[in-house]
Amino acid sequence: EAGVTQFPSHSVIEKGQTVTLRCDPISGHDNLYWYRRVMGKEIKFLLHFVKESKQDESGMPNNRFLAERTGGTYSTLKVQPAELEDSGVYFCASSHLSGREKLFFGSGTQLSVL
Amino acid sequence: EDQVTQSPEALRLQEGESSSLNCSYTVSGLRGLFWYRQDPGKGPEFLFTLYSAGEEKEKERLKATLTKKESFLHITAPKPEDSATYLCAVWRTGNQFYFGTGTSLTVIP
Repeated sequence: EAGVTQFPSHSVIEKGQTVTLRCDPISGHDNLYWYRRVMGKEIKFLLHFVKESKQDESGMPNNRFLAERTGGTYSTLKVQPAELEDSGVYFCASSHLSGREKLFFGSGTQLSVL
Repeated sequence: EDQVTQSPEALRLQEGESSSLNCSYTVSGLRGLFWYRQDPGKGPEFLFTLYSAGEEKEKERLKATLTKKESFLHITAPKPEDSATYLCAVWRTGNQFYFGTGTSLTVIP
């Protein structure tokens, strides 16, 4: 069974540019989460999809962040325009609707904004 | 305010030297507590879920316990391959997860 895959693994951009991160969850997992870890801090929740619907986006920092989940499959997280404080590792996780608490994480995207 | 605190931040052990990692929490509406292992360049990998005080789970050299205020991850006779960052996370009402900053464990041969 393929795990959660994220692309790209690393991204280096300049302040003001746009970056789009992609997450492919485990097939059949209706729950999809985005998390972020800023250096030296804990992993923090950004948002939660159930299928294609946003269930909770209370962790999104501001309106420069836009998440979508097309057809309830893969998800994208776009940052536009990127700021220095957006640097960090962005993790995606997925889980079944039942047993939703058991999260399977991707390897993350390391975003560096210069 | 919901908070998860892990200690120590870093731990170096000799191979075979048993020890414990701590995760203390203040969360309203706790539904469960999770332990994850994270290797460099990888995402967190699920180890255990504990749902109620007094519960214990074991897997190989790891044993997790839970009280009303904290959880311990006991590592018995660790091996170098146990070296990793160990994260705890609490799951509360509203389906939110709160992570600690982790304990970086190094096991020296």
